[in-house]
Amino acid sequence: AQSVAQPEDQVNVAEGNPLTVKCTYSVSGNPYLFWYVQYPNRGLQFLLKYITGDNLVKGSYGFEAEFNKSQTSFHLKKPSALVSDSALYFCAVRDGTASGGSYIPTFGRGTSLIVHP
Amino acid sequence: DTGVSQNPRHKITKRGQNVTFRCDPISEHNRLYWYRQTLGQGPEFLTYFQNEAQLEKSRLLSDRFSAERPKGSFSTLEIQRTEQGDSAMYLCASSRGTGGEQFFGPGTRLTVL
Repeated sequence: AQSVAQPEDQVNVAEGNPLTVKCTYSVSGNPYLFWYVQYPNRGLQFLLKYITGDNLVKGSYGFEAEFNKSQTSFHLKKPSALVSDSALYFCAVRDGTASGGSYIPTFGRGTSLIVHP
Repeated sequence: DTGVSQNPRHKITKRGQNVTFRCDPISEHNRLYWYRQTLGQGPEFLTYFQNEAQLEKSRLLSDRFSAERPKGSFSTLEIQRTEQGDSAMYLCASSRGTGGEQFFGPGTRLTVL
C-alpha cells in the first residue's frame, strides 16, 4: 500500500520570501516521488521528481525538493516566492521497485499556496 | 501545453443519461491513465492502459464505467446511467518509460443535474 500526506491545506507566504510545501509518504518498496502544480480549471503540470541519486532535486520554475528517507518526506521548496506561484500543489508517490512495483501513483489532497504581494 | 487533449471540456447532463469522454495522449506515450478529481481532493485513480491493454481498474470504477483504448492510441471513458455523485473533473494523463512523470490533459468537467 502507498499513501501521501500533505499536512497543510493552505500555505501563505509573502512575495520574495522562501516557501516550503510539506509532503510525507508511505510506500512498501522504492519511492518514486513527484510534485505537480495545478492552476485553476487546468490539468496538473509536472514540476519535479525523485527516483534515485541526489537527495536534492531541482525542477521547473525555480522549485526544488529534498528527499529525506529517514523522515519519509519530500518537501517542496523555493528560495523566493512569486505571486504567480499561487496555485494548488500535489505530491504523489508510487512504488518503483523493479519487480512488484506499480505504475499507478497515489496523490495527496493538495496544498493551496497563496503568495501575497 | 502538455500535448494531452481531452474533449469535451465541459459536459452537463441529466441523471440517468450516458456520457462519453475522449482523451488523446502524447503520441509516443504507451501508458494512459484516467483519474477523477473532486473539489478539495487530489486525483483519484480510475483505470490504466499500457498500449491497448487495460491493466488495472480501481474499485471506484463501478460497472457503470467503462474505458477503452483501441489500437493503443486515444481512449474513451463512458459513464452509463449517470448519477449526481458522478459530478467531478475527469482527468486523463499519459506517460512513458519506467520512471516517467505523467502529462495531464486539461480535464473534462462533468455536471450531473
